[in-house]
Amino acid sequence: GAGVSQTPSNKVTEKGKYVELRCDPISGHTALYWYRQSLGQGPEFLIYFQGTGAADDSGLPNDRFFAVRPEGSVSTLKIQRTERGDSAVYLCASSWGWQGVTGELFFGEGSRLTVL
Amino acid sequence: AQSVTQLDSHVSVSEGTPVLLRCNYSSSYSPSLFWYVQHPNKGLQLLLKYTSAATLVKGINGFEAEFKKSETSFHLTKPSAHMSDAAEYFCVVSDRRGSTLGRLYFGRGTQLTVWP
Repeated sequence: GAGVSQTPSNKVTEKGKYVELRCDPISGHTALYWYRQSLGQGPEFLIYFQGTGAADDSGLPNDRFFAVRPEGSVSTLKIQRTERGDSAVYLCASSWGWQGVTGELFFGEGSRLTVL
Repeated sequence: AQSVTQLDSHVSVSEGTPVLLRCNYSSSYSPSLFWYVQHPNKGLQLLLKYTSAATLVKGINGFEAEFKKSETSFHLTKPSAHMSDAAEYFCVVSDRRGSTLGRLYFGRGTQLTVWP
């Protein structure tokens, strides 16, 4: 399809396990973002890629979280040693340029992560 | 520091009556402001944006918002609600200067219910 695609849509895992969440942005978008939305909260910024490099990863909560975008298109968010507090909807978005310039991000439907 | 306060977590209106979703912001510099909408099982979608031009901004589906610097507000309005407007709405602020240039900060969201 033409939109941002995220897989899996739902992921249930056990505490301590490793999880990967995938994002396939809109073709041609150079900027890619990960946000996290906890229950009852608005999305919170995690990391921003411009091309292959992480331009701003200051939103990652700790070193258990890591993201890559090796070819400047698909991105993977990796969470090690998951904790119950990591349960949230992880949102991916892409855009033509820096989010602050246009404000228009195109969001996927999210990956709902539940850590038991 | 940048932050957004959405004054109502839930708003209920009857179809055909006006909608008012309230938002106040805090920003160290001249902000850009946005409203995003999230329908059930859909990705977030940009509704409208203010980036320093006209203070009254028109968006999609008949929504508009007015930037009031003296009140630090950016309330979202629509003259006549439609059933299809039922969704969650997020007010978003972005600084156009400073160390967090470009990062989007989301409010906690307002759930709009429209009664027939």
